[in-house]
Amino acid sequence: GQNIDQPTEMTATEGAIVQINCTYQTSGFNGLFWYQQHAGEAPTFLSYNVLDGLEEKGRFSSFLSRSKGYSYLLLKELQMKDSASYLCAVSGDTDKLIFGTGTRLQVF
Amino acid sequence: DAMVIQNPRYQVTQFGKPVTLSCSQTLNHNVMYWYQQKSSQAPKLLFHYYDKDFNNEADTPDNFQSRRPNTSFCFLDIRSPGLGDAAMYLCATGSRQGSNEQFFGPGTRLTVL
Repeated sequence: GQNIDQPTEMTATEGAIVQINCTYQTSGFNGLFWYQQHAGEAPTFLSYNVLDGLEEKGRFSSFLSRSKGYSYLLLKELQMKDSASYLCAVSGDTDKLIFGTGTRLQVF
Repeated sequence: DAMVIQNPRYQVTQFGKPVTLSCSQTLNHNVMYWYQQKSSQAPKLLFHYYDKDFNNEADTPDNFQSRRPNTSFCFLDIRSPGLGDAAMYLCATGSRQGSNEQFFGPGTRLTVL
């Protein structure tokens, strides 16, 4: 079967660093996406990894290990506006994305 | 700016009264998706089109139908909405070229009275 696992909720303080983990088991792999979704709004694209390693984009970084079926999203210098749900999604061997249930991050 | 547009943003309907949600895109993407998302859950794919080829998910109820008259527009028809169909409906587009990134519209929040 196909499965994406990520923690349900996380909390952190303003200015801190937080790491949101995602593990996956899918048939085929064509890349892993992280989306940010504020309450009542649509998901917005944050990052895409298809090769092993770290992709850095400003305060956000995303890491992928294909052999371990593992990714993480790293958020630095947290701000209140980063309070949102973070969705991990994998592109398999079809046109479809397989989404995790999302990690709700609360920044205090 | 190229974008995905959904109308209306908020839709209220009565139990059993048919409703249509619309989505349009200026990205010229050949794939369009409809998702249902309930509170604190992941988006659930209902169906998608690759050009005019319709792909229904196995667990999508018959109550949900879709039309794609041309590349730019796609509609979601709910024939007899039930209380359990109240949700956010997200339209997304994508291209088979490259990463398969999906671009989401702002969503339509459906309330069923």
